[in-house]
Amino acid sequence: AQTVTQSQPEMSVQEAETVTLSCTYDTSESDYYLFWYKQPPSRQMILVIRQEAYKQQNATENRFSVNFQKAAKSFSLKISDSQLGDAAMYFCAFSHGGGADGLTFGKGTHLIIQP
Amino acid sequence: EAGVAQSPRYKIIEKRQSVAFWCNPISGHATLYWYQQILGQGPKLLIQFQNNGVVDDSQLPKDRFSAERLKGVDSTLKIQPAKLEDSAVYLCASNRGGGSGYNEQFFGPGTRLTVL
Repeated sequence: AQTVTQSQPEMSVQEAETVTLSCTYDTSESDYYLFWYKQPPSRQMILVIRQEAYKQQNATENRFSVNFQKAAKSFSLKISDSQLGDAAMYFCAFSHGGGADGLTFGKGTHLIIQP
Repeated sequence: EAGVAQSPRYKIIEKRQSVAFWCNPISGHATLYWYQQILGQGPKLLIQFQNNGVVDDSQLPKDRFSAERLKGVDSTLKIQPAKLEDSAVYLCASNRGGGSGYNEQFFGPGTRLTVL
């Protein structure tokens, strides 16, 4: 079974600065997807970014980018130019196949944005 | 397009009582998931449906939890009888399903259950 570990329960960053959230995972599969989800206090899970394991190029979505190290089974999220609206819980997640399988989540990192 | 709908948003019950949650997925989405999110943890998959069939219920506590998706559209998750440790947010998600390649999961707002 796969596991996802987020070792940072809480992170704090100044507005407009850059922050990196860490995630490691363990799987014996070669074909999988990795995700970062954002969960604000409203509880609505929002997909931030995804990475296909077969792609060497790191995914980027506007201010959000990942550093995917397949051999090390590491998948970190970098948020550039942090904004107050980025404050939320961030969850790293894993899925086999194309995302039709259920997701395995880490415990989350609480991101605080200091104005 | 309307998102995933869940009701109720909040529910408070006494232990040993029964409770049911309802989910209506995005129209046309074949795959439906129920997750349990205990405070301070990430969501845990309880059950996954493909149309009206169960794909994965390996983490569903079947002695007290049940779920159905009779017509392959909306779904109900039931707990009977509830225990204190069932206090959590119950998230429903849906996905277009089928085919190969990536399909995004869309989440509902969740139901927060408190068992006293």
